[in-house]
Amino acid sequence: RKEVEQDPGPFNVPEGATVAFNCTYSNSASQSFFWYRQDCRKEPKLLMSVYSSGNEDGRFTAQLNRASQYISLLIRDSKLSDSATYLCVVNSGGYNKLIFGAGTRLAVHP
Amino acid sequence: GAVVSQHPSWVICKSGTSVKIECRSLDFQATTMFWYRQFPKQSLMLMATSNEGSKATYEQGVEKDKFLINHASLTLSTLTVTSAHPEDSSFYICSAKTGHLTGELFFGEGSRLTVL
Repeated sequence: RKEVEQDPGPFNVPEGATVAFNCTYSNSASQSFFWYRQDCRKEPKLLMSVYSSGNEDGRFTAQLNRASQYISLLIRDSKLSDSATYLCVVNSGGYNKLIFGAGTRLAVHP
Repeated sequence: GAVVSQHPSWVICKSGTSVKIECRSLDFQATTMFWYRQFPKQSLMLMATSNEGSKATYEQGVEKDKFLINHASLTLSTLTVTSAHPEDSSFYICSAKTGHLTGELFFGEGSRLTVL
């Protein structure tokens, strides 16, 4: 089993749609959680950290369920510029390294 | 925000040659740098953790004699792919963090290696 698993994708949605991505992780000792965005042939860039109480940044909302070891990302009012691959990232509990999910590709069309 | 620069951004080489990739932290001192590899449509896979002034820690399955890592200063880490073969063709990305930026990594722009 992979340490971090994500929805396979791709998600093809129209502009203005709401889309949700899910992610599960296997290491119960993990402490830090993130969503990164990666554009084609580019490096990943931090989208947002994920906090236990859930957090929102504009159109983006992240949720964490430690009991279920589940993380989600909700994007509201999708824009064409949101088209990218979204990576779920988890730290390897107590050790200074991050584990990346395979990513979920989002394509927003007019 | 912190900036990490990686060079070269792309390189094409012949099979059997060695290629060096540099990763620099431009506006902060990076005590730890990480090297990742990403094949097409796959996730980033951590290759090794590089600590300034000490030997790198390699992940399982990564050959330390093939992927030489040097972290000689707080702003520079290098990855050398020795005797490169076509199967080493990939996107190599470095990242860096300082001690107080817990969990957040700053990524270089990546280096795309093509071995002919």
